[in-house]
Amino acid sequence: DAGVIQSPRHEVTEMGQEVTLRCKPISGHNSLFWYRQTMMRGLELLIYFNNNVPIDDSGMPEDRFSAKMPNASFSTLKIQPSEPRDSAVYFCASSLAQGDIQYFGAGTRLSVL
Amino acid sequence: QQQVKQSPQSLIVQKGGISIINCAYENTAFDYFPWYQQFPGKGPALLIAIRPDVSEKKEGRFTISFNKSAKQFSLHIMDSQPGDSATYFCAATSGTYKYIFGTGTRLKVLA
Repeated sequence: DAGVIQSPRHEVTEMGQEVTLRCKPISGHNSLFWYRQTMMRGLELLIYFNNNVPIDDSGMPEDRFSAKMPNASFSTLKIQPSEPRDSAVYFCASSLAQGDIQYFGAGTRLSVL
Repeated sequence: QQQVKQSPQSLIVQKGGISIINCAYENTAFDYFPWYQQFPGKGPALLIAIRPDVSEKKEGRFTISFNKSAKQFSLHIMDSQPGDSATYFCAATSGTYKYIFGTGTRLKVLA
C-alpha cells in the first residue's frame, strides 16, 4: 500500500490567498484526520471524519478553515483567506476504524508570506 | 486533564548509549499509549505501543515501561544509533479517535 498521500508537499502563498491541501487516505480506512504541527503547539487535531462524515471539527481554528471529504478516497483542507500565522506543517492521517492505529502522511509544509 | 506532558524537550546521547524519554498523564480513562517516531520531512510513524494491563513492552531495542499508579510511561532506546536521531512523540487515547500527543522530544545520537 502506498500509505497516506498528501499534496502538495510544499506550498508558499501570499497572505489573503486561498490554499487547498489534499489527502488520499489508505484504501479501506474509514477514519480520516487533519492535524497541524507547529513548534509552539505541537500536533493539534483539526478535524476528524468517520465514513466521510465530519464528526469533530472543534479543532478548526476559525471560519477561514474548512474541510471536506466527498468520498472515501479523498479529502481537502481549505484555508481562505490565508494568514501568516497559518504557516505550519499540515498532516493527514487515516485509520482502519475509530480507535485504531493512525497512519500519517508526509505532510504539507505551508508558508504564508 | 487531557494533557500529556513529555520530557525532555531535547536529548543528546552517545552512540551505544541508552535514550530515555518520559511522559505523564492525568486522565485515568486513557487505555492506549503509542509512541511515534518522526524523521525530518516525514510524517510521524507508529514505533511501539502499550496498554495499561502490562508494565513493559519490548520490541527490539525499543522498550516502553508503564507505571499505572504513577500515571507515567517512558520509552527506552537501548544501544542508541545515529539512525535513531528523530523526534519522538508519546500519545494517549481512551479508545476513541482522539489522540493526545506530547510536545515531542528531539533526539540526537552522536556517532
